[in-house]
Amino acid sequence: AQSVTQPDIHITVSEGASLELRCNYSYGATPYLFWYVQSPGQGLQLLLKYFSGDTLVQGIKGFEAEFKRSQSSFNLRKPSVHWSDAAEYFCAVGATGTYKYIFGTGTRLKVLA
Amino acid sequence: GAGVSQSPSNKVTEKGKDVELRCDPISGHTALYWYRQSLGQGLEFLIYFQGNSAPDKSGLPSDRFSAERTGGSVSTLTIQRTQQEDSAVYLCASSWMSDRNTEAFFGQGTRLTVV
Repeated sequence: AQSVTQPDIHITVSEGASLELRCNYSYGATPYLFWYVQSPGQGLQLLLKYFSGDTLVQGIKGFEAEFKRSQSSFNLRKPSVHWSDAAEYFCAVGATGTYKYIFGTGTRLKVLA
Repeated sequence: GAGVSQSPSNKVTEKGKDVELRCDPISGHTALYWYRQSLGQGLEFLIYFQGNSAPDKSGLPSDRFSAERTGGSVSTLTIQRTQQEDSAVYLCASSWMSDRNTEAFFGQGTRLTVV
């Protein structure tokens, strides 16, 4: 069965520091991968998505993610974090033959001034 | 509308009561999803509607949960005889197509508290 693992429940970084949020998936073929962000009291907003092609994907708000098939990973990165990036981040996979997006448990990001 | 709209934003109900949660998807979106977000549990798939096709109800946790979508637009999620474990944020999403590679747009959710 498809699954998504986000091993870090909480991450704290200083403003201006670089960020990497980890995501590992379990799936037998090339998945469709997504990163969503959820600010407090808000719904989920799509940051970026990977379907095929270039394994480095650029998203909104300066985020990028790299698909690594050999590691079954789709880590989210940002070179310089802003205080407004504090939120919860969800990785998701869309699998063949199903329209159910499988979500990870999320990583809550705290940004120190 | 401009985005997915859910109502109410917050709902407190007594154990054993029935509740109805409403979702207005983005106009023209044919696919509509319900997810449940519990603390530390990620997003749990509940049900999916696509056009006039029979909905996929495989994620509904019990027969106390049901959902309908009228006229291919508005959807209502109903929870009967609510239990404390039903307390969660219920998120609705919609998308243009049913293909898995289509981005889902989420509403702000309904926070349900069962006391």
